Amino acid sequence: QGQLEQSGAEVKKPGASVKLSCKASGYSFTSHLMHWVRQAPGQGLEWMGVINPSAGDKLYAKTFQGRVSMARDTSTSTLYLDLNSLTSEDTAVYYCATERGGGFDLWGQGTMVTVSS
Amino acid sequence: QAGLTQPPSVSKDLRQTATLTCTGNNNNVGNEGATWLQQHQGHPPKLLSSRNNNRPSGISERFSASRSGSIASLTITGLQPEDEADYYCSAWDSSLSAWVFGGGTKLTVL
Repeated sequence: QGQLEQSGAEVKKPGASVKLSCKASGYSFTSHLMHWVRQAPGQGLEWMGVINPSAGDKLYAKTFQGRVSMARDTSTSTLYLDLNSLTSEDTAVYYCATERGGGFDLWGQGTMVTVSS
Repeated sequence: QAGLTQPPSVSKDLRQTATLTCTGNNNNVGNEGATWLQQHQGHPPKLLSSRNNNRPSGISERFSASRSGSIASLTITGLQPEDEADYYCSAWDSSLSAWVFGGGTKLTVL
């Protein structure tokens, strides 16, 4: 089945950067694509990008290109998300999710990122 | 980026049937199929149906997905109080090279 454990809540000032982590366990980390999806308060889901944990290649949503970076550490089965030049619009819950069987079937618990001066 | 279109809200009576729709185009739903997610307040989404309309293990048979052209549907039979949640569709968009989501439908069980 598996589990994704995400890092704790963050509070950042506008213009700062944030680095989130997502540790996978209970399944083969390198066998499935992993995605980041965010959800602003009271809003819907927004796809940020995907990384292939095996090869390391990534694809970012155009909305975030130039501001986002995804990485993985196969030795610890951990996924990372870096987002810089934060604004209040980046206040959201950030989820990592594993794509298996044609859908996002395993989700982390989410990390709340608050951007406020 | 362009998303998928879902009705913002649907209300149905207990034990009735609800059908939620998700409208895309030939670059996403029409060609790639759609997935369906359920999200209860304060919780991460849960996959109800994958791109080929299959239910993951553990998902009730009361949830069934289908597609006609560029419109995907999720049918929930025998509505229960715990079905009250937000439902999102998503699809891979081959022209955008991105996953896109619908805005979500809030299902209320009366």
